[in-house]
Amino acid sequence: GAVVSQHPSWVICKSGTSVKIECRSLDFQATTMFWYRQFPKQSLMLMATSNEGSKATYEQGVEKDKFLINHASLTLSTLTVTSAHPEDSSFYICSASTGLYNEQFFGPGTRLTVL
Amino acid sequence: QKEVEQNSGPLSVPEGAIASLNCTYSDRVSQSFFWYRQYSGKSPELIMSIYSNGDKEDGRFTAQLNKASQYVSLLIRDSQPSDSATYLCAVKSGSARQLTFGSGTQLTVLP
Repeated sequence: GAVVSQHPSWVICKSGTSVKIECRSLDFQATTMFWYRQFPKQSLMLMATSNEGSKATYEQGVEKDKFLINHASLTLSTLTVTSAHPEDSSFYICSASTGLYNEQFFGPGTRLTVL
Repeated sequence: QKEVEQNSGPLSVPEGAIASLNCTYSDRVSQSFFWYRQYSGKSPELIMSIYSNGDKEDGRFTAQLNKASQYVSLLIRDSQPSDSATYLCAVKSGSARQLTFGSGTQLTVLP
């Protein structure tokens, strides 16, 4: 149980385009999902907390107009990187929490490369 | 500011030995503690969770929690080369939904 999927697993795009990443909880409902970014050899950085049916909560320094988050259902959250630039190239990982203690389970991640 | 501290390593142990990974946290009201394993280029995988003082064992893994000392550890017995990864300590405080992660300890198990 507690499986989280992400799509796509990798994407290469040109600078200035927008990229959408999907995160799905496959066998449970998640009222809360999280989006992280991780640069090579660095730790996870929480970008935002995605709440089903309401606006996402962004961490300090994360541009909400650039990283659009939609949590339209209890099993799906999407992250759209708008007008992507090479500095947005990173490993984007979502997670979903479930259970009595709100354990977080991570998706496999999406590797974004912006040319 | 809530902090979670881990030795970055790298920590090297021979195959078959016990690997000991340590983590301290600053927020005294922290209630839930997690260990994640992250292989290079992959996303984190939850391997242990612990919520009360003492030891919790799952196969070759033992998590130890001491809330008075604000310390949580992970022991890996009979270490295998496949255990080579970065181990992330994560802490959840009170009603917060987010986890606070340490920077991770890189473990290498030498065959």
